[in-house]
Amino acid sequence: QLQLQESGSGLVKPSQTLSLTCTVSGGSMSSGGYSWSWIRQPPGKALEWIGYIYHSGSTFYNPSLKSRVTISVDKSKNQFSLNLSSVTAADTAVYYCARGVILVRGVLINVWFDSWGQGTLVTVSS
Amino acid sequence: EIVLTQSPATLSLSPGERATLSCRASQSVSTYLAWYQQKPGQAPRLLIYEASNRATGIPARFSGSGSGTDFSLTISSLEPEDFAVYYCQQRSNWPPSLTFGGGTKVEIK
Repeated sequence: QLQLQESGSGLVKPSQTLSLTCTVSGGSMSSGGYSWSWIRQPPGKALEWIGYIYHSGSTFYNPSLKSRVTISVDKSKNQFSLNLSSVTAADTAVYYCARGVILVRGVLINVWFDSWGQGTLVTVSS
Repeated sequence: EIVLTQSPATLSLSPGERATLSCRASQSVSTYLAWYQQKPGQAPRLLIYEASNRATGIPARFSGSGSGTDFSLTISSLEPEDFAVYYCQQRSNWPPSLTFGGGTKVEIK
């Protein structure tokens, strides 16, 4: 059974870079047909998609965060990572990593998330 | 960016009752819509993908319908474990975007 586990700093100072890693076990990230995503949820609020990376290494980011986000993959370690720069208090949230199932029909792509990590709370505070 | 509007924000029902949750998209997303259930302190769980397909292990009392801009999630008879927050999610191609709705909380009346 696929499992995902987030790790990284739970406290980040304003203006610094938030860095998280997701370790995938029970399956290979090199398998086609999947994307590897970061999604966050501020306390008491709705989910917000941050971005994802394909096994090929290509990425797709939320336009509202694109200028500050980098997602990378290390297939040898079965891990992918999130860097979010210039953080503010508004970036305080539970951060989830998730596997996205990709369905391609011609030029159309659909993605839904079938496996999630347990989430990790990141607080931005001095 | 396509906006997903979920209604109502809160649904107060008793166990055994039928729940109908709505998700409306600001423009057509075809059937590229998924539903998730989230309980306090837990990660979301996939219920429905491509508008009407139940995910593996999801009970038959959960069903999804709709296409274009209007979608529904129906729970035919609420079990105690179904009281939670439900989110819809779309992935559109023109323009390329991926968004979640604001959520509907199903609470015990």
